Amino acid sequence: AQKVTQAQTEISVVEKEDVTLDCVYETRDTTYYLFWYKQPPSGELVFLIRRNSFDEQNEISGRYSWNFQKSTSSFNFTITASQVVDSAVSFCALSEAKTSGSRLTFGEGTQLTVNP
Amino acid sequence: DAGVIQSPRHEVTEMGQEVTLRCKPISGHNSLFWYRQTMMRGLELLIYFNNNVPIDDSGMPEDRFSAKMPNASFSTLKIQPSEPRDSAVYFCASTLRTSSYNEQFFGPGTRLTVL
Repeated sequence: AQKVTQAQTEISVVEKEDVTLDCVYETRDTTYYLFWYKQPPSGELVFLIRRNSFDEQNEISGRYSWNFQKSTSSFNFTITASQVVDSAVSFCALSEAKTSGSRLTFGEGTQLTVNP
Repeated sequence: DAGVIQSPRHEVTEMGQEVTLRCKPISGHNSLFWYRQTMMRGLELLIYFNNNVPIDDSGMPEDRFSAKMPNASFSTLKIQPSEPRDSAVYFCASTLRTSSYNEQFFGPGTRLTVL
């Protein structure tokens, strides 16, 4: 069965600090997709990134970067030079190609608070 | 292009009442999902539709919950009778086609409070 674990329930940093949100997943499928979604205080869920299991290249988008390592079943999310607007709950999610269809399994979420 | 639209945004009702949540997916999307978010259980998939047909309803908690998708642009999630433990934020999401590859686009959610 698929499972996503975000061990960090809450993280608090001061503005301009770098911060990494951890995500560890379990799957028996060889083809799967990993996602990160962000939920700001306004409540909506916003898609950030998708990565497939065959692509271990790191991804960078502005101050955001993602590190996918199959060897450790991890897909971590790093925010460089954090800003107050980065305060949100971030969710890691997994979808298996063979068994999930479009079903997403979400982690518990990590609440990031960036203080001025 | 409009995103996923949900109504109402907030609903407060009394135990035993019927509650109907509504969702309009993004035009052209053929898969629709209903999720529930609570502090205790996080984000849970309740049911999803592909081309208006329910594909997986294994997440629907019990018979009090039902969902329909009469056409490609509208879906409802009904709770009857409602109970205090149903209090949660209910999200609707849609995606272009059923595939584990495609990201889902979420609506703003309906915050339901059952007193």
